[in-house]
Amino acid sequence: EPEVTQTPSHQVTQMGQEVILRCVPISNHLYFYWYRQILGQKVEFLVSFYNNEISEKSEIFDDQFSVERPDGSNFTLKIRSTKLEDSAMYFCASRNLANTGELFFGEGSRLTVL
Amino acid sequence: DAKTTQPNSMESNEEEPVHLPCNHSTISGTDYIHWYRQLPSQGPEYVIHGLTSNVNNRMASLAIAEDRKSSTLILHRATLRDAAVYYCILRDAYNTDKLIFGTGTRLQVFP
Repeated sequence: EPEVTQTPSHQVTQMGQEVILRCVPISNHLYFYWYRQILGQKVEFLVSFYNNEISEKSEIFDDQFSVERPDGSNFTLKIRSTKLEDSAMYFCASRNLANTGELFFGEGSRLTVL
Repeated sequence: DAKTTQPNSMESNEEEPVHLPCNHSTISGTDYIHWYRQLPSQGPEYVIHGLTSNVNNRMASLAIAEDRKSSTLILHRATLRDAAVYYCILRDAYNTDKLIFGTGTRLQVFP
């Protein structure tokens, strides 16, 4: 069964450092997403991406965050200068063309900012 | 965003059916009802979704009230692997692409 894969599974970084989280969505999917979940809290939407541009973003997704699809397979989330409060599990998701279709989530990348 | 209300937790025994309720009294006509679940230490996983009619798939059934103000996710025979947090989410498929997760219902399954 096709799946969304994310790397790294866990990254530890110092405050102020740049971090790039990588995702390989399911190959025929066209819509891509990042969500995050701070430990013990709700899953929160960050951003959606379609046709090489951001289609929707939340208030959390400020200027410190950016997304990119550098080639035909990867989808990345960059945090320019990490803060302690960026520590969370980051989930990538993708879906195909159907507007009401299900999202497929990856296993997540745990980010720990020290 | 239309809000959903779910019980914080529920319990079931293995092999028994489980009915997970969700209230969404402010649902609009274009809101789809989605259910996702999150197993421990994993990403959310799609379970089922519907608009007006009841839906069945290999994982579960979704029963939607006639007035659409509530719905019930039915797991026909709970297994230990079904222990997870279940989220009932409304999404207006024509106006937004995001899922707004609440706190969900934590389902415990006992052998």
